[in-house]
Amino acid sequence: AQKVTQAQTEISVVEKEDVTLDCVYETRDTTYYLFWYKQPPSGELVFLIRRNSFDEQNEISGRYSWNFQKSTSSFNFTITASQVVDSAVYFCALSDLSGYSTLTFGKGTMLLVSP
Amino acid sequence: DGGITQSPKYLFRKEGQNVTLSCEQNLNHDAMYWYRQDPGQGLRLIYYSQIVNDFQKGDIAEGYSVSREKKESFPLTVTSAQKNPTAFYLCASTNPRTGNYEQYFGPGTRLTVT
Repeated sequence: AQKVTQAQTEISVVEKEDVTLDCVYETRDTTYYLFWYKQPPSGELVFLIRRNSFDEQNEISGRYSWNFQKSTSSFNFTITASQVVDSAVYFCALSDLSGYSTLTFGKGTMLLVSP
Repeated sequence: DGGITQSPKYLFRKEGQNVTLSCEQNLNHDAMYWYRQDPGQGLRLIYYSQIVNDFQKGDIAEGYSVSREKKESFPLTVTSAQKNPTAFYLCASTNPRTGNYEQYFGPGTRLTVT
C-alpha cells in the first residue's frame, strides 16, 4: 500500500522568511510520480509540480524549489522569501502509474504567512 | 476556457435525502475522480473512472454512487446510507494516455447535511 506523510500540520512564518514543507512517502513500486498541490482558501487544488521516480534532480521555479531524495523517500518543498499570497494548504501526493493513475495524498500542511 | 466545473458550490440537504453533485470537464480527459476532504484531513478517494460506463470504488465508496454515461460528466450521488456526508467534495480529471499523471481539480462542492 502507498502512504504519504506530511508531519507538519501547520507552519507560521513572517513574510520574507524561507520555509520548507516536508513530505515522506512509502511505496513498493519502482516507478512512480510525486506531486505537490496548493489549496488556497477558495478550496480548489492547484497543481504545482510533478516529479518522476527516475529523476532526482532538484527543480527550481521562481521562489519555489523541490528536493527529491529517493534514498530517504522524501520530496520536500521550499518557498524562498515567502509572501502572504503563499498562505494555503499544501498537499504532497503519490501516483502508482497504473492505468487508473490514482493519487494518494498526505494530510496537508497549512502554511500561514503573516505580513 | 478548458476546465472542470462543479455545481453548486454550496449545497444543503436534510438527513435522509439523496443528493447528486455535478462534475463536468471539457478537457477531453479520459479519467475522472471524486474525492472527499474533511477538516484537517487529506483527500480521500471515493470513486474513479477511466472510460465511459466504467468506474471503480476508491477507499471510501460506501454510501456513494456514480455514473459515467458521457466522457465529460461524472456525477456523484451521496445516498442516505452515507453516515457522515457533510464534507467538501472535489472532482478531478486527467489523461493518462499522455503520460502526464497530474490531476486537475474543480472548485469543489461543500455539502452540509443537517
